[in-house]
Amino acid sequence: QKEVEQNSGPLSVPEGAIASLNCTYSDRVSQSFFWYRQYSGKSPELIMSIYSNGDKEDGRFTAQLNKASQYVSLLIRDSQPSDSATYLCAVIGDTGGFKTIFGAGTRLFVKA
Amino acid sequence: DAGVIQSPRHEVTEMGQEVTLRCKPISGHNSLFWYRQTMMRGLELLIYFNNNVPIDDSGMPEDRFSAKMPNASFSTLKIQPSEPRDSAVYFCASSSDRANEKLFFGSGTQLSVL
Repeated sequence: QKEVEQNSGPLSVPEGAIASLNCTYSDRVSQSFFWYRQYSGKSPELIMSIYSNGDKEDGRFTAQLNKASQYVSLLIRDSQPSDSATYLCAVIGDTGGFKTIFGAGTRLFVKA
Repeated sequence: DAGVIQSPRHEVTEMGQEVTLRCKPISGHNSLFWYRQTMMRGLELLIYFNNNVPIDDSGMPEDRFSAKMPNASFSTLKIQPSEPRDSAVYFCASSSDRANEKLFFGSGTQLSVL
């Protein structure tokens, strides 16, 4: 079983719709969770972090965490063509260090 | 701040040759990570350092790979001898304890082994 799993997609949504991206992780003691965005040919960049159960909102982005279900999600409201990218879920376990493990990523296409 | 700086941006080499990738982390960051990204395997953690000390190298695929961090501002990832299956994009990333573990990535090195 992979440590961090994501549906590879592609996920296609129309402009203005809500895009929902999901991630599950296997290490039950994981404490820190991140969403990175990666445009084609570019490096990943952090867009959201979440550390406690519940929702965290930042502009059009909302991260959701459910530690009991070992589930993290990212919602993108009012999706724009510029949101088309690969979204990587990342997890840090409770190892005392900063070992960040990434999922394979979900490709998102927003159609104009 | 200039961000994480990697060199070279592109490297094309022949099978069996030695390849050295370089990374300068963001000043003040005390953790440095080397990742490899391929279509098939995604973004894999190879090794990470904290305060210049290798903490976890369990992701290094085999003895042909080695990494060093001689000081806080420089790290290398070496492949000797290189093989075609090593072709990938290699990313370096850095983080600071004060940045809540968020990673800042370099632009990556696109490695092609022929």
